[in-house]
Amino acid sequence: AQTVTQSQPEMSVQEAETVTLSCTYDTSESDYYLFWYKQPPSRQMILVIRQEAYKQQNATENRFSVNFQKAAKSFSLKISDSQLGDAAMYFCAYWRAGKSTFGDGTTLTVKP
Amino acid sequence: GAGVSQSPRYKVAKRGQDVALRCDPISGHVSLFWYQQALGQGPEFLTYFQNEAQLDKSGLPSDRFFAERPEGSVSTLKIQRTQQEDSAVYLCASSLDGGRANEQYFGPGTRLTVT
Repeated sequence: AQTVTQSQPEMSVQEAETVTLSCTYDTSESDYYLFWYKQPPSRQMILVIRQEAYKQQNATENRFSVNFQKAAKSFSLKISDSQLGDAAMYFCAYWRAGKSTFGDGTTLTVKP
Repeated sequence: GAGVSQSPRYKVAKRGQDVALRCDPISGHVSLFWYQQALGQGPEFLTYFQNEAQLDKSGLPSDRFFAERPEGSVSTLKIQRTQQEDSAVYLCASSLDGGRANEQYFGPGTRLTVT
C-alpha cells in the first residue's frame, strides 16, 4: 500500500520569506501523480500544485514550486515571498487510478 | 458556477443510529470521491465513482458504510449503526474525470459526531 509522510507537523515563516515543506512517499508504481493541497482554517481544501511522475521538470505555479526527486520518492513544496494568506494546513497527496493517499499535513504559520 | 456542496454540515448521532450524508458535485463532473478526515489527520480515501459506477470502494472501513450515486450526479454516503470511531469530517470531492488525475474540488465537509 502507498504511504505518504509529512515529517513536519508545524512550520513557521516570516512574511516575504521562503519556506519549504517536506513530503516523502512509498510506492512500487512508476506512473502516478503527486499533489499539494491547502486547507485554510474552516475553509475548503484547494489544489496548490500538481506533478506528473513521468515528467522530470519540476512544476511551478507562481510563488509555489516543487522539488520532485523520483528516485528518492521525495516531493517538497517551496513557497516564495510568503504571504499572510498562505497560512493553512498543507497536505501532500499521492494519486493513482482514482485513489488518493494523503499525508497528515503540515500547519504553516506566517508571521507578519 | 456553484462549487461542491455537502449536507448537513454538522450531524450528531447517537451510537447505533443510521446517518445519510449528501454530496452535490459540480455540474458536469464525472468523478466523485468520498474521504474521511479524523481530527488532526489527512483525509483517507473511502470510495470513488465515475458517473454512477462505483469503481473503487476499498477504503470503506466496514460493511456498515455504503455509498451510492444512482444517476451519476448527487451521491449519498450512508453509515449504519454508527459507532464512536465513525466521528470525523466526511469530505466529498468531484473532478472532471478522476481517471485522468484532474484537479479535485472539495466540499466543506460534514462533521459527524457520534455520542
